[in-house]
Amino acid sequence: ETGVTQTPRHLVMGMTNKKSLKCEQHLGHNAMYWYKQSAKKPLELMFVYSLEERVENNSVPSRFSPECPNSSHLFLHLHTLQPEDSALYLCASSQERGATEAFFGQGTRLTVV
Amino acid sequence: RKEVEQDPGPFNVPEGATVAFNCTYSNSASQSFFWYRQDCRKEPKLLMSVYSSGNEDGRFTAQLNRASQYISLLIRDSKLSDSATYLCVVRGSSNTGKLIFGQGTTLQVKP
Repeated sequence: ETGVTQTPRHLVMGMTNKKSLKCEQHLGHNAMYWYKQSAKKPLELMFVYSLEERVENNSVPSRFSPECPNSSHLFLHLHTLQPEDSALYLCASSQERGATEAFFGQGTRLTVV
Repeated sequence: RKEVEQDPGPFNVPEGATVAFNCTYSNSASQSFFWYRQDCRKEPKLLMSVYSSGNEDGRFTAQLNRASQYISLLIRDSKLSDSATYLCVVRGSSNTGKLIFGQGTTLQVKP
């Protein structure tokens, strides 16, 4: 049972759709992250939130829009995605931004058609 | 040059074998080093941190060579359950630096 829960686990969306990914952590952590994992590529850090404030945005296209309403919840809003955005999207949390260990959710497998 | 580079494998080894994975990193100012494990269709999980003096956790031994910017993971007496992808992870040059992941090395342990 992971302390970081992501929904949905799988998502298929058209290029004109709008959808949101949800992440919830039950660990009392102060930092949360979105990562993208594509086939045969390393995990790419997308966004970092620390105490609900976005502290890092790694040149992510604006069709990905994060939201962190409180320290336990993180959303990734998606709109007008491209097929190359199909990937596994992983949420993670850590005690603080520079903590040793990051705890990952099981991810949302996104397919853009 | 990739920030963290690993041989993707796959490494296919019989049960009981000893297998070693290597990883190189490009930023000489990197502060912290880790190995994460990712099972098929699952999330990555921390396996162990890597310390300058080298460290061991049961059948797993991690070593760091700062001069060569090289990290290794040795698995002794491989078990079927060790089959997974092993991710080399490096923290950037500050205490709040981001975690930078390698592509991962896939290990398949066969009976």
